[in-house]
Amino acid sequence: NAGVTQTPKFRILKIGQSMTLQCTQDMNHNYMYWYRQDPGMGLKLIYYSVGAGITDKGEVPNGYNVSRSTTEDFPLRLELAAPSQTSVYFCASSYSETMNTGELFFGEGSRLTVL
Amino acid sequence: GQNIDQPTEMTATEGAIVQINCTYQTSGFNGLFWYQQHAGEAPTFLSYNVLDGLEEKGRFSSFLSRSKGYSYLLLKELQMKDSASYLCAVTESNYQLIWGAGTKLIIKP
Repeated sequence: NAGVTQTPKFRILKIGQSMTLQCTQDMNHNYMYWYRQDPGMGLKLIYYSVGAGITDKGEVPNGYNVSRSTTEDFPLRLELAAPSQTSVYFCASSYSETMNTGELFFGEGSRLTVL
Repeated sequence: GQNIDQPTEMTATEGAIVQINCTYQTSGFNGLFWYQQHAGEAPTFLSYNVLDGLEEKGRFSSFLSRSKGYSYLLLKELQMKDSASYLCAVTESNYQLIWGAGTKLIIKP
């Protein structure tokens, strides 16, 4: 099993550009999450999904959008990139009856720089 | 408000024992996680505590006291590969997960 696969690993964007971070999991997990991690701070939840067709905002959703058309895929869209979006982004998935009561499986991370 | 506190950095010696503490103030409680994160890598799951007490998993143990809002991760027989950040996270009553900033553990020979 590949687990959680996210691409790209690195990307440099200019201010105002847009891009999509791809995330795929092959574990048939119901929950999927997008986090960002900034130095000296805890992981911050951007968006999450409890299943195909259902998404919801997390703690820091502004400037981002997501979709979940299939169980496997959960892409994160950045519109009009800003320097404040420079961060490391992690996609994660889990399987449990209720959210955040089971182990999270993380992708390798995507390091994004906005200049 | 929501808050998770853990030391920013700790140093220990190879072969020794280290205890990493985590205190939390959250809106309810539905479990506490510990994750390990090596530099430049993704977090990986270590433990999940819901009930009070100590859970042992090889060289790693995790303890929880819900009444004190306190947990610790105990690492025994430290190895150089244990150099990493250790993240504490709490699931609140609304099932949202709150993360601490992490403790960077430095192992010296």
